[in-house]
Amino acid sequence: QIQLVQSAAEVKKPGASVKVSCKASGYDFSTYGISWVRQARGEGLEWMGWISPHSGDTEYAQKFQGRLTLTTETPTSTVYLELRTLGSDDTAVYYCARETYSRAFTWYFDLWGGGTLVTVSS
Amino acid sequence: EIEMTQSPATLSVSPGERATLSCRASQNVNLNLAWYQQKPGQAPRLLIYGASTRATGIPGRFSGSESGTDFTLTISSLQSEDFAVYYCQQYDKWPRTFGQGTKLEIK
Repeated sequence: QIQLVQSAAEVKKPGASVKVSCKASGYDFSTYGISWVRQARGEGLEWMGWISPHSGDTEYAQKFQGRLTLTTETPTSTVYLELRTLGSDDTAVYYCARETYSRAFTWYFDLWGGGTLVTVSS
Repeated sequence: EIEMTQSPATLSVSPGERATLSCRASQNVNLNLAWYQQKPGQAPRLLIYGASTRATGIPGRFSGSESGTDFTLTISSLQSEDFAVYYCQQYDKWPRTFGQGTKLEIK
C-alpha cells in the first residue's frame, strides 16, 4: 500500500526543538521528493520546505531558513523535519507530501501523510 | 514568490447545483497548478493537476480550466461529500505556494 506514515503528536515548550518523521512505503523512495506543509488551526496551508532522497537537495521557505532542517534516512525510507527555537505560533499540524525528486522537474503533491500535531506551550 | 489568490473566501451553494471556484496566480505558472480538497480533521487530497487533469479516482463532476494566470475549479452537481475547503497551489517555482482557500458550504 502506497502511503506516508507520520510520527505521533508532540508537545514542546517555547524555545525547544521538534523532530517529526514521515515514513514512505509502497513505492520507490528515491524516485520522489518530500515537501512539508503546515496548517495552524483554522488557517490555510503553508509550504515549509522540500528534500530529495535521490540527491539530498533541499529547498526551504525563506521564513524558515536557519531554523528548519530536512533530512532523509534511505534505509528506512524516512524523511525527518526538525524545527528549532519553537514559538507558540509554530503550533500546527505538520504534513508531509510526496512530490518531485529533482529541482529540475515539477510534480504535484499526489500523496499526503496523515499529519502530526505539534503543540508549543509553556 | 508567486502569490496565489483564491475567490471567493466562502461559497454557499445548494446540493445539485454547480460551484465555480477561482484562483489567480501573480505570474505565469506554466499550467503547473493543482487543486486540493480538505475536509475537517483530514489531510488535503489531490483533485486536479496540470490545471485540468483529474487525479486518480476523482469523479467526473470535478473539472479544472485555465485562462492565462486565471484558473477555475468547477464542480458540476454538488454532492453532500463535496462541501469542504478547496486550495489551489502552484508547483512551477520555489517556494511552492497555496491560495488561502475557498470554503464551500451548504446553502
